[in-house]
Amino acid sequence: DAGVTQSPTHLIKTRGQQVTLRCSPKSGHDTVSWYQQALGQGPQFIFQYYEEEERQRGNFPDRFSGHQFPNYSSELNVNALLLGDSALYLCASKAISGYTFGSGTRLTVV
Amino acid sequence: AQSVAQPEDQVNVAEGNPLTVKCTYSVSGNPYLFWYVQYPNRGLQFLLKYITGDNLVKGSYGFEAEFNKSQTSFHLKKPSALVSDSALYFCAVRDSSYKLIFGSGTRLLVRP
Repeated sequence: DAGVTQSPTHLIKTRGQQVTLRCSPKSGHDTVSWYQQALGQGPQFIFQYYEEEERQRGNFPDRFSGHQFPNYSSELNVNALLLGDSALYLCASKAISGYTFGSGTRLTVV
Repeated sequence: AQSVAQPEDQVNVAEGNPLTVKCTYSVSGNPYLFWYVQYPNRGLQFLLKYITGDNLVKGSYGFEAEFNKSQTSFHLKKPSALVSDSALYFCAVRDSSYKLIFGSGTRLLVRP
């Protein structure tokens, strides 16, 4: 049974560009959350998707947006990238049994 | 607001000795608490969770955690540390909207 899959694993972007990160949840999991983990810090909640709608949102600007598809996979989009957006972006899928995290996408903004 | 605190940035222990990684929480209502481990350049791996029931929770890789309601603590423990346990450990609490709120993390270093 595949766990949570994220792509790409690493990404380098220039300030001002836009980026899309992708996540496929664990089989049977219908809720997807995205977290940002800056270097040396704990993960911070960005938002959560369920039934293709954003259900919860953390303290992140509108430059961060997302989408969930009918197969429960999800995308995280970040516009107008800033140097401070450099981080590990983690996707987590949830079922009654708990939360499963992917290995993350390491985004570097230069 | 829900929160967790991990008071130690780093814990050092010799292989074979017991280890404890501390976590305290602040929640309204019943706490749903979790421990995750993160190895370099990897995502988070689930270790254990407390929802309700016994105060001593058994988890993966020989880890356990003790829930103490009066002290609002959820410390991670292992009777005998391994060098391979060296990693970054995160305590988290689930809030009413089902999102996880993480502590700042504790780096565990097990020396041979």
